[in-house]
Amino acid sequence: DVKVTQSSRYLVKRTGEKVFLECVQDMDHENMFWYRQDPGLGLRLIYFSYDVKMKEKGDIPEGYSVSREKKERFSLILESASTNQTSMYLCASRKGGSNQPQHFGDGTRLSIL
Amino acid sequence: TQLLEQSPQFLSIQEGENLTVYCNSSSVFSSLQWYRQEPGEGPVLLVTVVTGGEVKKLKRLTFQFGDARKDSSLHITAAQPGDTGLYLCAGAPEDSGAGSYQLTFGKGTKLSVIP
Repeated sequence: DVKVTQSSRYLVKRTGEKVFLECVQDMDHENMFWYRQDPGLGLRLIYFSYDVKMKEKGDIPEGYSVSREKKERFSLILESASTNQTSMYLCASRKGGSNQPQHFGDGTRLSIL
Repeated sequence: TQLLEQSPQFLSIQEGENLTVYCNSSSVFSSLQWYRQEPGEGPVLLVTVVTGGEVKKLKRLTFQFGDARKDSSLHITAAQPGDTGLYLCAGAPEDSGAGSYQLTFGKGTKLSVIP
């Protein structure tokens, strides 16, 4: 069965810290995505990657960076965490074009104090 | 920027009632997906509709894609408490450029089915 695993379900960090969120998929999908989900705002795309070492900015990339050194792993990095980055973060992967299903992890609820 | 408007934002109904959730846009999409997200979990794909006018059924759930491929609806018959969750629609763009990697998500309809 398809599996997208996010390293932490809950994470608490302090303002100014560098934060790493990890995502691993076991389906050999070329496309991977990072979203944040906030009440009233829905899912917003932060970054996506369509191949190893390739990355594209989504709708809200400011304050974030990503790394894709291996096909199965896509990392989201908060360079200097701020309180407005407190959110639910969802990773997804997909094989093929945007008509194909996206498979999501269970999310990381990140709190920045 | 393509937008998808979902309505209603919240819906609370009694078990056994019927309901319809709407997903509307002024843009044309090549396909539209519906996801359900339960508390503490990521969204899970329910269905993809591709052809204008297409109707798909998944047990008590009926999905329809508008003729012009700008809107979609989800109808649930005889709702059950297990249907409770956040329903999200997501549209795939028509163009085949770099933007074709991205889905446009609606903000969701939060459904509560009361036993």
